[in-house]
Formats: sequence, structure tokens, C-alpha cells
Amino acid sequence: AQKITQTQPGMFVQEKEAVTLDCTYDTSDPSYGLFWYKQPSSGEMIFLIYQGSYDQQNATEGRYSLNFQKARKSANLVISASQLGDSAMYFCAMRGPGGTSYGKLTFGQGTILTVHP
Amino acid sequence: NAGVTQTPKFRVLKTGQSMTLLCAQDMNHEYMYWYRQDPGMGLRLIHYSVGEGTTAKGEVPDGYNVSRLKKQNFLLGLESAAPSQTSVYFCASSRTAAYEQYFGPGTRLTVT
Repeated sequence: AQKITQTQPGMFVQEKEAVTLDCTYDTSDPSYGLFWYKQPSSGEMIFLIYQGSYDQQNATEGRYSLNFQKARKSANLVISASQLGDSAMYFCAMRGPGGTSYGKLTFGQGTILTVHP
Repeated sequence: NAGVTQTPKFRVLKTGQSMTLLCAQDMNHEYMYWYRQDPGMGLRLIHYSVGEGTTAKGEVPDGYNVSRLKKQNFLLGLESAAPSQTSVYFCASSRTAAYEQYFGPGTRLTVT
């Protein structure tokens, strides 16, 4: 069975600073995908970044990067130059092998990020 | 493109009542999913569909039924609502199993 753990219920960061949100996962499948989603107070789920288990390089999307450490089974989200609009709940999620998981996502419990001016 | 839309946005039901939540996507995606989000928790998969006419159970399927008669629509039904089904319901779709999922805005359901 797959499991995602986000150990930080809440994080605070000063505007313009970088912040790392932790995510560890557990799976016995060699093929899997890791996703980060943002949920602002308005409630929608916004896709941020994706990392495949066979990807050699860490994924980056603008100010978001994923620090993927396969041996440690961690997939931390790094947000650089935090902005007030980054204040939201952040979810880490995992998908199993594409052929058999049918894209089903297992989510962590989320981390609430608050950006202070 | 509207993306993924959900109807209704809010609903209050009494215990034992039934209702159907509608999810529609205009991206021609094959895969569609229904999740529920309870306070302080991540999303949990209820049911999913890998194409028109197909459905399958997810992690928490009890008390729900689904149908995918048209590729663009995925319906979630509650036959006899219970207070434990009070939650926010999200629909999502993806092009294939390997791609990211796009989510609808959610439906907040309260069962009294």
C-alpha cells in the first residue's frame, strides 16, 4: 500500500524568503509519480509540480522546485522568494505505476503555509 | 475552456435523502475521479473511471454510486445520505493515468 506523510501541520515564512515543505512516501513499486497541489482558502486544487520516479533531475516550475531524494523516499517542495499569495494549504500526493494504478492519487494530510509580510 | 465544473457548489441534505453531484469536463480527458476532503485531512478517492462506460471503486466507496454514460460527465450519487458523508467533494480529470489531474472547484455537502 502507498502512504504519504507530511509531518508539518503548519509552516511560517517571511515574504521573499525560501521555504521547504516536507513530504515522505512509502511504496514498494519502482514506478510512481509524485505531485504537489496548492489549495488556497478559496478551496480549489491547483497543480504545481510533478516528479517521476525515473526522472534523473529534480523537477522545477518557476519558483517551485521538488527536492527528490529517492533513497530517503522524500519529495520536498521548495518555494523560492515567497509571496503573500503563496499562503495556502499544500498537499503532496503519489500515483502508483501508470499501467495498474489508473492514475489514482494518495494524498498526504497537507501543510498550511503562512507567508508574513 | 471551462476545465472541470461541478454542480451544485453547495447542498444541505437531511439524513436519508438522495442526491446526485454532476462533474463535467471539456478537455476530452479519458480519466475522471471523485474525491472527498474532510477537515484536516487530505483527499480520499471514492470512485474513478478510465473511460466512457467504465467505473471502479476507490478507497472509500461505501454509500456512493457513480456513472459515466458520456465521456465528459461523471456523476456521483448518494442514495441515502448520512451525516458521515458531510464533506467537500472534488471531481478531477486527466488525459491519461500518467498525467496530472485537473480539479473542479468542489461541492460542499452538509448532511443533517
